[in-house]
Amino acid sequence: IVLTQSPATLSLSPGERATLSCRASQTVTTYLAWYQQKPGQAPRLLIYDTSKRATGIPARFSGSGSGTDFTLTISSLEPEDFAVYYCHQRSNWPTFGQGTRLDIK
Amino acid sequence: QVQLVQSGPEVKKPGSSVKVSCQASGDTFNNFGFNWVRQAPGQGLEWMGGIFPMFGSVFYAQNFQGRVTISADDSTSTAYMELRSLRSEDAALYYCARERGDMGAFDIWGQGTMVSVSS
Repeated sequence: IVLTQSPATLSLSPGERATLSCRASQTVTTYLAWYQQKPGQAPRLLIYDTSKRATGIPARFSGSGSGTDFTLTISSLEPEDFAVYYCHQRSNWPTFGQGTRLDIK
Repeated sequence: QVQLVQSGPEVKKPGSSVKVSCQASGDTFNNFGFNWVRQAPGQGLEWMGGIFPMFGSVFYAQNFQGRVTISADDSTSTAYMELRSLRSEDAALYYCARERGDMGAFDIWGQGTMVSVSS
């Protein structure tokens, strides 16, 4: 399953709402996750099973979607949220999207 | 505290092999899967394969089939990834990542191991 993320880069200001998209080439029947990666760090799990927040993840992060279209929403951006975000499916062989870079405007 | 600690950076010549280790602590090793994900400089994440020690099951991505071996030693709570016939494009940061079956996600990641390939 190929995951295509859009946009490739998103430039926003702190306090704004961010909407990141992940589209799958086939239906994802189970297990769509989102990760955040900051420079020089390993990825961190944010959302699993489409909409469940991982331990310690703030409530401003939310996931939604089904079938082939999934969304990560950050309701009000904090300075520490500017990073690269990847979607990931485990419906069959694991694959990752190519990432969305969230930049400070 | 649950963590994955990987072995140190490696410098290898083209055609050689590299074996990276990933030691888990803080939780029961056999309850989880362990996956290997690589990241070339400035690029995204690429899944290489994974192992579920409890079931003795190993899975490889098609791109690496025949060139990678993933194994685990539950006596030391360590997973391994060996990549053979190294080429310049294998230069990357290699991560191990723990998978919880009930989440279908990689909840804990190692710090990454840099592998350089140069003649």
